[in-house]
Amino acid sequence: NAGVMQNPRHLVRRRGQEARLRCSPMKGHSHVYWYRQLPEEGLKFMVYLQKENIIDESGMPKERFSAEFPKEGPSILRIQQVVRGDSAAYFCASSPKGRAGRNSGNTTYFGEGSGLTVV
Amino acid sequence: QQQVKQSPQSLIVQKGGISIINCAYENTAFDYFPWYQQFPGKGPALLIAIRPDVSEKKEGRFTISFNKSAKQFSLHIMDSQPGDSATYFCAARNQGAQKLVFGQGTRLTINP
Repeated sequence: NAGVMQNPRHLVRRRGQEARLRCSPMKGHSHVYWYRQLPEEGLKFMVYLQKENIIDESGMPKERFSAEFPKEGPSILRIQQVVRGDSAAYFCASSPKGRAGRNSGNTTYFGEGSGLTVV
Repeated sequence: QQQVKQSPQSLIVQKGGISIINCAYENTAFDYFPWYQQFPGKGPALLIAIRPDVSEKKEGRFTISFNKSAKQFSLHIMDSQPGDSATYFCAARNQGAQKLVFGQGTRLTINP
């Protein structure tokens, strides 16, 4: 029973390039979340998705960042025209669907993260 | 109001001692309070969690104490071991919402 799988584990991009981070949730999980962790800081919520729907993107920067969770395939966090300030660890998490399609407090499991370095 | 404040930022405890990490929150709509443990280069792993209808929860050497009126909760690690050296994050979740709000983290070092 594989956990939350993220790739790549490490990514180096030059300023202005695009970064794509992928996340496959745990088997049976339909809720996906992306968090960002800056060095020596806690995790900050970015976006919450279900299949083909963005449910809450209140933590996403308004420009250059986008996320999707298609019907087939992994969730993708895309950062366009990266800048040095985007350097961080990006964690994906997943949780199962609760009753009536809502997360009723079930555990959120995290992947091992994707470290983005912008040079 | 969405913040969770965690202290101390770093903590050094002797092997066999008790490690105590504290968190405070403002939002009374929070109804789920997990603690995560993170080792370098790894993702956060759920350690223990509590809901506000109980004042204490214990799992092995790990105990959460919860004070609803003070809006504070803490993690106690009994008989701390060098293998417990990691960064610990408290978090909170709004009832009906899905996202976790994390504290700033505590880097715990257990000296042998």
